[in-house]
Amino acid sequence: DQQVKQNSPSLSVQEGRISILNCDYTNSMFDYFLWYKKYPAEGPTFLISISSIKDKNEDGRFTVFLNKSAKHLSLHIVPSQPGDSAVYFCAASARRIQGAQKLVFGQGTRLTINP
Amino acid sequence: DTEVTQTPKHLVMGMTNKKSLKCEQHMGHRAMYWYKQKAKKPPELMFVYSYEKLSINESVPSRFSPECPNSSLLNLHLHALQPEDSALYLCASSQEYYGFLETQYFGPGTRLLVL
Repeated sequence: DQQVKQNSPSLSVQEGRISILNCDYTNSMFDYFLWYKKYPAEGPTFLISISSIKDKNEDGRFTVFLNKSAKHLSLHIVPSQPGDSAVYFCAASARRIQGAQKLVFGQGTRLTINP
Repeated sequence: DTEVTQTPKHLVMGMTNKKSLKCEQHMGHRAMYWYKQKAKKPPELMFVYSYEKLSINESVPSRFSPECPNSSLLNLHLHALQPEDSALYLCASSQEYYGFLETQYFGPGTRLLVL
């Protein structure tokens, strides 16, 4: 049972345009969502996050939107740059009373920015 | 500073060897994680240490043995591995405050090849 889904394995965008990466989740207990960027043979780099009490969070060129009713979030990158070419993972976690945090990852979307 | 360091960067070992992976963070985080990542797959949680105690073991084979000597260090001892254990091994850390939304920060990973 895949609780976090990224249905697009790849996305190709022209430099300077907007990149939109999508993520869907099924577990209504998730209340914190994160996006990570990963280059080959490197560790994931934290990009941006959003809690369930918000519907938008912005950091420079990156904006994450959360639609709780649809259980959907998206990452917008604008303008897209060649250095943005990487694999992007969506991840989710649930607030807990005890026990360690567990992140649930999507399968990733490979973003390619074309010059 | 959100840096997690891992050594070595690359490791090649035979199936009869014993080796160790090391991870260090100086962010004052009290939770540390080991993940395994295969190509084109999301990170897969192996172990979680919370306040230097093993909190989660995701049914990992005993040929992987974690150790947390102190709150800044995390080791993964490897013994009698199989070729299918070849992967990128990632360490991560987070603050570990119950009831708060936490971000996990990842290290660069150790690329392991088992021959």
